[in-house]
Amino acid sequence: AQKITQTQPGMFVQEKEAVTLDCTYDTSDQSYGLFWYKQPSSGEMIFLIYQGSYDEQNATEGRYSLNFQKARKSANLVISASQLGDSAMYFCAMRFSYSSASKIIFGSGTRLSIRP
Amino acid sequence: ETGVTQTPRHLVMGMTNKKSLKCEQHLGHNAMYWYKQSAKKPLELMFVYNFKEQTENNSVPSRFSPECPNSSHLFLHLHTLQPEDSALYLCASSQDLYVNTEAFFGQGTRLTVV
Repeated sequence: AQKITQTQPGMFVQEKEAVTLDCTYDTSDQSYGLFWYKQPSSGEMIFLIYQGSYDEQNATEGRYSLNFQKARKSANLVISASQLGDSAMYFCAMRFSYSSASKIIFGSGTRLSIRP
Repeated sequence: ETGVTQTPRHLVMGMTNKKSLKCEQHLGHNAMYWYKQSAKKPLELMFVYNFKEQTENNSVPSRFSPECPNSSHLFLHLHTLQPEDSALYLCASSQDLYVNTEAFFGQGTRLTVV
């Protein structure tokens, strides 16, 4: 069965430092998509970055990059030069191949707190 | 105008009440979703609609009844809920159901059942 695991319930990081949020997944599908979302206290889930299972290069979006290691089934999010506004819950998510592409499943999340 | 709008933002209802949650997307997407987010639990997919047709019902109790009159609107009708149904209900939309398609979320409706 497909599963997303985020092993860090909470993290504290000093402002301007880089931070890595861990995500591992389990699937037997060959085609899938990996996503990271940010959820501030307001509740809205904000899409950050996407990585396809066939993409050979790691995805980058501004200060966000995804460290994709397919053989290890990991898709860690790296935030460079963290800012106070980065404090939020972060969720790793996966969408499966087309036969069940209607499903996006989420990990349990990591609460990131940035210290000034 | 935000991409995905949910109303109301907060709702308190008794167990015998009937209420509805509304979701509207202004992104021209074809797929819409309902998720439930409870404290200390991962987001749970409830329903998926694609071109107004339901493609996924994730074993959701019948006291939750979705409705999708068109690709831009999605409702969740609630009746005889239980206190454990208290949660944040998130609506999302996506262009399609392919693996490389991200979903965009609304701000959610915080539901409290008393």
